Amino acid sequence: GQQVQQSPASLVLQEGENAELQCNFSTSLNSMQWFYQRPGGSLVSLFYNPSGTKHSGRLTSTTVIKERRSSLHISSSQTTDSGTYLCAFHNNAGAKLTFGGGTRLTVRP
Amino acid sequence: AQTIHQWPVAEIKAVGSPLSLGCTIKGKSSPNLYWYWQATGGTLQQLFYSITVGQVESVVQLNLSASRPKDDQFILSTEKLLLSHSGFYLCAWRNRDTQDTQYFGPGTRLLVL
Repeated sequence: GQQVQQSPASLVLQEGENAELQCNFSTSLNSMQWFYQRPGGSLVSLFYNPSGTKHSGRLTSTTVIKERRSSLHISSSQTTDSGTYLCAFHNNAGAKLTFGGGTRLTVRP
Repeated sequence: AQTIHQWPVAEIKAVGSPLSLGCTIKGKSSPNLYWYWQATGGTLQQLFYSITVGQVESVVQLNLSASRPKDDQFILSTEKLLLSHSGFYLCAWRNRDTQDTQYFGPGTRLLVL
């Protein structure tokens, strides 16, 4: 089965609303990353977050390694936040990065 | 600052024809390098990784091969393209010493007809 489960698969918000994206891992992991995938396909790294909580502007990532989960909180969403959010984990050897299927976010004006 | 380039930006190729995609990292010595592939609407999959020149490990077999001829260069290739090779190819690098964030290139979109 899939090693990385992301939820929800898609989400539609009105501008200004908050979003909570979840990522659950079925295997032990060394660390994880959150990415934003632009409509054209390129990836932007949002957080490298092996554990704990990290903030960047309106984004907050919280990872609980022992529980094999991570979340991404987007506050006061904007239309430019629309796109696909991907989480991925590094295996213990660090050589492999395994991605989830993504959450497609649409923020309406 | 480190920069990562991929070429070509996009390509349309015929089934059975050869393919070579390139990736170059500037401003970082001895990076770990990675190739990923994403089918349209699909999940990103890691294909290969390399920790040093001349050494490449395969993660997923898709009738593709990879080589690292120089410290800053990673090449993805095949002699015969399949329809299933269509998709988006991403190259990434990671600091070998810190082993933290992976940084991705702009990608190459491939359509096989």
